[in-house]
Amino acid sequence: KAGVTQTPRYLIKTRGQQVTLSCSPISGHRSVSWYQQTPGQGLQFLFEYFSETQRNKGNFPGRFSGRQFSNSRSEMNVSTLELGDSALYLCASSLELANTGELFFGEGSRLTVL
Amino acid sequence: GENVEQHPSTLSVQEGDSAVIKCTYSDSASNYFPWYKQELGKGPQLIIDIRSNVGEKKDQRIAVTLNKTAKHFSLHITETQPEDSAVYFCAAIHRDDKIIFGKGTRLHILP
Repeated sequence: KAGVTQTPRYLIKTRGQQVTLSCSPISGHRSVSWYQQTPGQGLQFLFEYFSETQRNKGNFPGRFSGRQFSNSRSEMNVSTLELGDSALYLCASSLELANTGELFFGEGSRLTVL
Repeated sequence: GENVEQHPSTLSVQEGDSAVIKCTYSDSASNYFPWYKQELGKGPQLIIDIRSNVGEKKDQRIAVTLNKTAKHFSLHITETQPEDSAVYFCAAIHRDDKIIFGKGTRLHILP
């Protein structure tokens, strides 16, 4: 069974640009949640999508957005990039809602903003 | 909302010794407490979890204890091995709320 796939794995952007990250969940999983990982703040919840609907949202500015498609694949977008957005962005999939059981994480997309 | 504090941030133990990582949470309604292990270059992976109706759970060398009254839970790793070197994250989860992770503990197993 294929795991969670995130693309791209690495990317470099400059301030003011926008970026789109993609996440393909494990087959049959309906929930995709996104996290920002930085050395100082650990793992911070961005948002969760379940059956194409945003179910929960963390404390991030509106520049961070996402969506989920009918095949459960999800994308997140960050507009007007800032230096502080440099981080590892992880997505996780789960059978049911993310707060009910095991999360299966991808290997992440490492974003560097110059 | 929920707040999770994790200690220590870094831990070094001699191979074969035990390691203990502690987390405290603020929301007494949290009822699910997973622990994730993240190896270098990989995403976190669930290693053990406990729900609020249980005080202790063990899986081979790994155990988790939960004290609901004090609102803290701990990860215990016995007979540590080199492959236990990783970053460990705790989380406290309320069924109706988002997932809050601790800031992580970097565990070094010394030869």
